[in-house]
Amino acid sequence: GAVVSQHPSWVICKSGTSVKIECRSLDFQATTMFWYRQFPKQSLMLMATSNEGSKATYEQGVEKDKFLINHASLTLSTLTVTSAHPEDSSFYICSARVALAGWGEQFFGPGTRLTVL
Amino acid sequence: EDKVVQSPLSLVVHEGDTVTLNCSYEVTNFRSLLWYKQEKKAPTFLFMLTSSGIEKKSGRLSSILDKKELFSILNITATQTGDSAVYLCAVDLISGTYKYIFGTGTRLKVLA
Repeated sequence: GAVVSQHPSWVICKSGTSVKIECRSLDFQATTMFWYRQFPKQSLMLMATSNEGSKATYEQGVEKDKFLINHASLTLSTLTVTSAHPEDSSFYICSARVALAGWGEQFFGPGTRLTVL
Repeated sequence: EDKVVQSPLSLVVHEGDTVTLNCSYEVTNFRSLLWYKQEKKAPTFLFMLTSSGIEKKSGRLSSILDKKELFSILNITATQTGDSAVYLCAVDLISGTYKYIFGTGTRLKVLA
């Protein structure tokens, strides 16, 4: 089946630093990747949709300058949390959509737990 | 505004019990409804439903969609402790970006 990896699986950083999270589709090409964040005991909230070779589309309330998304190839998207603060601590999950005619199931990565001290 | 609501928010049962989880939605441009199980990490896929009235089954789990009343249910029979997880419902929209709207989730705990 389609496999999506994320790296790192967990990261601890100091307040004010930037953190980059990678999302890779290992055995398929993903025209679209999605980034979600999940706070404890809450559901997944979509942050942005990223299409290969174009700018990401951010959901309302998500700061694009804070959460930089790059989708440089059909198998890699990165999320950079810039100048991270403790309130950015969360579980970040990416998913990748297989490009089929008309629709495509999303396959989820294992997630990255970010803790900002 | 597109909305997906799940109920109950949490549930505690004993092994062997049967549970029914609910998901209702109000969205424009509905394509399909999906159920996921989430334990410690990212969600794992359970079912995708596109047509009303057709039950999907996988072992002790089954699900059905009602597109007229805009809801779906997920049934788990003969529950086991390994079923303890958060169950997420998501709606896939026909849109330029094919994004999912996730529900609030139902936290299920199965006691031995």
